[in-house]
Amino acid sequence: LAKTTQPISMDSYEGQEVNITCSHNNIATNDYITWYQQFPSQGPRFIIQGYKTKVTNEVASLFIPADRKSSTLSLPRVSLSDTAVYYCLALLSGGSYIPTFGRGTSLIVHP
Amino acid sequence: GAGVSQSPSNKVTEKGKDVELRCDPISGHTALYWYRQSLGQGLEFLIYFQGNSAPDKSGLPSDRFSAERTGGSVSTLTIQRTQQEDSAVYLCASRARGVIDSPLHFGNGTRLTVT
Repeated sequence: LAKTTQPISMDSYEGQEVNITCSHNNIATNDYITWYQQFPSQGPRFIIQGYKTKVTNEVASLFIPADRKSSTLSLPRVSLSDTAVYYCLALLSGGSYIPTFGRGTSLIVHP
Repeated sequence: GAGVSQSPSNKVTEKGKDVELRCDPISGHTALYWYRQSLGQGLEFLIYFQGNSAPDKSGLPSDRFSAERTGGSVSTLTIQRTQQEDSAVYLCASRARGVIDSPLHFGNGTRLTVT
């Protein structure tokens, strides 16, 4: 499984765009890039997944360059409720695998 | 629809006692995972069930930990002779294996405190 590296923490302010970059230099051909969000006292929640180029949903956008060795989660106009830990994973689609969660990126949004 | 359900949400036990933690996955999900999360840490993999295959127990920290999954649905994680270092949040997740790009769905965990 591809090992991922992301910043331990980030700070932002309400209304700003936040970009969290994840490195996955040894990503495999079949791996998808998946991001989860975790609030205190809750389990992680799936927010977005992609294979290449750009994916956008109602919550976030995910940018993946052609070499797929990194990806960037973009949260537009964050609010206080976006304060959470964000995990980046490179997952093998469809097969048997064990998703490995690192410590994630702790995002704190300030008023 | 119903998500992953875990019970109890909180459990306080005395050192040396046995505990059982329950997970009800999403109906139809064939893959089930148990993770452990200590305060301020990432998720530590414990065990993985996939259909009728033998479970992957490679993450269990000691032989005091065991888990079973009955009928391919409900799972129980058992910790025998609990120790203080077992205190953590135990998270269960399920996934629809075989469905391309299917994500994990987590419950809200059981917070275990060993006194």
